[in-house]
Amino acid sequence: KQEVTQIPAALSVPEGENLVLNCSFTDSAIYNLQWFRQDPGKGLTSLLLIQSSQREQTSGRLNASLDKSSGRSTLYIAASQPGDSATYLCAVRFSGGYNKLIFGAGTRLAVHP
Amino acid sequence: ETGVTQSPTHLIKTRGQQVTLRCSSQSGHNTVSWYQQALGQGPQFIFQYYREEENGRGNFPPRFSGLQFPNYSSELNVNALELDDSALYLCASRLNGGNPAGANVLTFGAGSRLTVL
Repeated sequence: KQEVTQIPAALSVPEGENLVLNCSFTDSAIYNLQWFRQDPGKGLTSLLLIQSSQREQTSGRLNASLDKSSGRSTLYIAASQPGDSATYLCAVRFSGGYNKLIFGAGTRLAVHP
Repeated sequence: ETGVTQSPTHLIKTRGQQVTLRCSSQSGHNTVSWYQQALGQGPQFIFQYYREEENGRGNFPPRFSGLQFPNYSSELNVNALELDDSALYLCASRLNGGNPAGANVLTFGAGSRLTVL
C-alpha cells in the first residue's frame, strides 16, 4: 500500500531556529514529491516540487531534499519566523496512473517570538 | 491568489441530505481533482476529471459523484450525507498536456467546509 508519513506531528520552536521536517513514503517508484503549506481553515499553497530525477529544490529560506532509495524527503526551514507557523504537508505522486497525490497527515509548526 | 475558486466556503447540512460543491478552475486547466480533508488529517483523493470525464477515483463510495463542464468549472455532489462526511473539500486543477514542469503542479482552491449534523 502506498503511504506517506510525516514526523513530527507537531513542533514548537523559538524564532530564529533552523528546523527540519521529515516525510517518508513506502514506494520508491515516485513521479514527484511536493511540499505544501496550509494555514488554519485554508487551502493549500505549493512550496516546492521535486521531480523524481532531482535531489533537491530551494526557494528562499526553504530547501527540500529527496532520497528515493530510502523513501525520504526533508523540508529545511532556515531562520524560522512567526509567519512560518502553519501546517506543512508532504504529498507524493507515485508512478503509474493519473495525477493523484497521496498526502501525509502534516506537521503543525508553531514559531514563537 | 490561487486562480481556483470554490463555493460555498462554509455550509451546514443534516444527515441524509444532499450537497453540491462548486469549483471554478484556473483558466485553461483541463484537469480537476477533488480531495476530502478531515480535521487533523491530510487530504484524501476523491476523484479526477479530464475533459469532462472521470478518469480516476479514490476509495470513496458512489454517493460521491462529480461533473466537469467545458468552461473549466466543476461540481462535487454527495448524496445521503453521513456525519463522517464533515470535512474540508478541496478542488485542485492543472493543465494536462502542458510543459512537463507546469503540468505537474496542482493549484488548490481554499476549500468548502462541510459540517453534517
